[in-house]
Amino acid sequence: DADVTQTPRNRITKTGKRIMLECSQTKGHDRMYWYRQDPGLGLRLIYYSFDVKDINKGEISDGYSVSRQAQAKFSLSLESAIPNQTALYFCATSDLGTGKETQYFGPGTRLLVL
Amino acid sequence: GENVEQHPSTLSVQEGDSAVIKCTYSDSASNYFPWYKQELGKRPQLIIDIRSNVGEKKDQRIAVTLNKTAKHFSLHITETQPEDSAVYFCAATPGGYQKVTFGIGTKLQVIP
Repeated sequence: DADVTQTPRNRITKTGKRIMLECSQTKGHDRMYWYRQDPGLGLRLIYYSFDVKDINKGEISDGYSVSRQAQAKFSLSLESAIPNQTALYFCATSDLGTGKETQYFGPGTRLLVL
Repeated sequence: GENVEQHPSTLSVQEGDSAVIKCTYSDSASNYFPWYKQELGKRPQLIIDIRSNVGEKKDQRIAVTLNKTAKHFSLHITETQPEDSAVYFCAATPGGYQKVTFGIGTKLQVIP
């Protein structure tokens, strides 16, 4: 879905480096999420935000932080990257106004930590 | 919090056969159950969903059933085709200000 974008699409970094993954959306949705996908572990929620002033930890928030700069932007930071943070990261949005929690995913960021 | 279990983790079927993927959930307050399909190298996308006030929903070759008493729901794909090969995720949520919880995914392979 072209309405949810993620940058960068691929990133290689070294252990101990700080990196930021960015997500932007033009859907006008209030809710935004960060997931990581690992083989055999499905989609695990890192952080989520129901509006600009709301930030919530997901099931695997340790080692990550987020910033909701505006309704349309939600960034994920790895303060000091470690190899087990190597994964595929997805941003997603949803709109409470529809009465559903349908998640609209971005294209993903593939991160490799050496 | 909600816990969603999904099985099988992998499933191989012959083209034209049916495929069934099953999920169970733990939170009786959950009332929305979407299914997502993720093709290789792509993002997950919603293919069908069901609310707790409905027992079954169909959309062409796919259907979802829900048993609230047993807290389980299933995805049924009939007359499978090679383009159905993908990873399928079930999910559950109580809605409102509660997050969505995903199952671990089922990798479906349709053999021509």
